Amino acid sequence: GQQVKQSSPSLTVQEGGILILNCDYENDMFDYFAWYKKYPDNSPTLLISVRSNVDKREDGRFTVFLNKSGKHFSLHITASQPEDTAVYLCAAGANQGGSAKLIFGEGTKLTVSS
Amino acid sequence: EAAVTQSPRSKVAVTGGKVTLSCHQTNNHDYMYWYRQDTGHGLRLIHYSYVADSTEKGDIPDGYKASRPSQENFSLILELASLSQTAVYFCASSDPGGNTGQLYFGEGSKLTVL
Repeated sequence: GQQVKQSSPSLTVQEGGILILNCDYENDMFDYFAWYKKYPDNSPTLLISVRSNVDKREDGRFTVFLNKSGKHFSLHITASQPEDTAVYLCAAGANQGGSAKLIFGEGTKLTVSS
Repeated sequence: EAAVTQSPRSKVAVTGGKVTLSCHQTNNHDYMYWYRQDTGHGLRLIHYSYVADSTEKGDIPDGYKASRPSQENFSLILELASLSQTAVYFCASSDPGGNTGQLYFGEGSKLTVL
């Protein structure tokens, strides 16, 4: 089964709006949670990440919230911009021997309309 | 300069043929990974390696072999390519010593099996 699942395959938001991307996971051992951003015909790049010892991390317009008891984490984007249009992949993993063996969700295609 | 480079970037193969995808990293990372991307599936881990001359199976290893002859190089081998292996393949590296969990991806290799 899918260990990491994103609830929305696609999302559209108006420029300047706030949006939330959601991700659910199954494995209690996961202790690292990340969001990657991918433009078409480009490789994924890390946007923001958080470890399980905190429940929130903010970086500019991007904030990740972690709810360990609910096995859920989310990405909040404020003041959305056209350049935010991309596919967003959530990922989770357990620090097994230091390996960043990440399990990715299916991705959410975000469109920011001007 | 790209720290993770893949070759070829694009390839058309015939069913039953052998395909080798190569990956080279200059990050001095111990861990390397091969993922495949399919629409609706996000990124799925095929094989990974944490040291030269050793490889591990990921979540979808069937039909694939991997080879890690040195720290810098990691290959993905399809001995008998099949239609279902048409996908974009991404190589990545990570540094467990840094404990960030971040993956650094190559540009991707688009494989079409006819």
